[in-house]
Amino acid sequence: EAGVTQFPSHSVIEKGQTVTLRCDPISGHDNLYWYRRVMGKEIKFLLHFVKESKQDESGMPNNRFLAERTGGTYSTLKVQPAELEDSGVYFCASSTRIASSPLHFGNGTRLTVT
Amino acid sequence: GIQVEQSPPDLILQEGANSTLRCNFSDSVNNLQWFHQNPWGQLINLFYIPSGTKQNGRLSATTVATERYSLLYISSSQTTDSGVYFCAVSGGSYIPTFGRGTSLIVHP
Repeated sequence: EAGVTQFPSHSVIEKGQTVTLRCDPISGHDNLYWYRRVMGKEIKFLLHFVKESKQDESGMPNNRFLAERTGGTYSTLKVQPAELEDSGVYFCASSTRIASSPLHFGNGTRLTVT
Repeated sequence: GIQVEQSPPDLILQEGANSTLRCNFSDSVNNLQWFHQNPWGQLINLFYIPSGTKQNGRLSATTVATERYSLLYISSSQTTDSGVYFCAVSGGSYIPTFGRGTSLIVHP
């Protein structure tokens, strides 16, 4: 089966610009998560979708971040306007069930805001 | 939420040495995974190990769920083992939560 794919792999933008990250989960995985790792720090949860519904978005840092999951398939994470502190690696993961199934991660998107 | 603590935070080894990384968690879990973040930033799944012991080559992992910890063993370390090792746990209604990681440097 195809794994979780993320696009782009790298993005370099200027402060104030907009960037949209995309994640395609494994087919049939209802759960989709976004995480990020800011330089040298821990991997922090951003939000969780079950199918097309946001189940938990308590980790979203502020209203400059907007996530969507169209029709319960792929997801996008938009940052608008980007700030310097948004730089880091954004990971997407999917799983079949929340509590007991393993997470499958994409390769991440490395975002650099200059 | 659930608390996840990893130790040691940093580890420096000579090639060929063995090491043990630890992950403690504060509540019952249904899922525990070990990941390696390689120098390119990718998260590589090493083990899905909610309980018991598994081995894959030079790596092995043991989770004692009743005592709320997991161990990752690296034997005969190689320079390519360098990177950050994370454990992530989830259980009940907990969102999968990561520890802060162990940064490993293996010198030739």
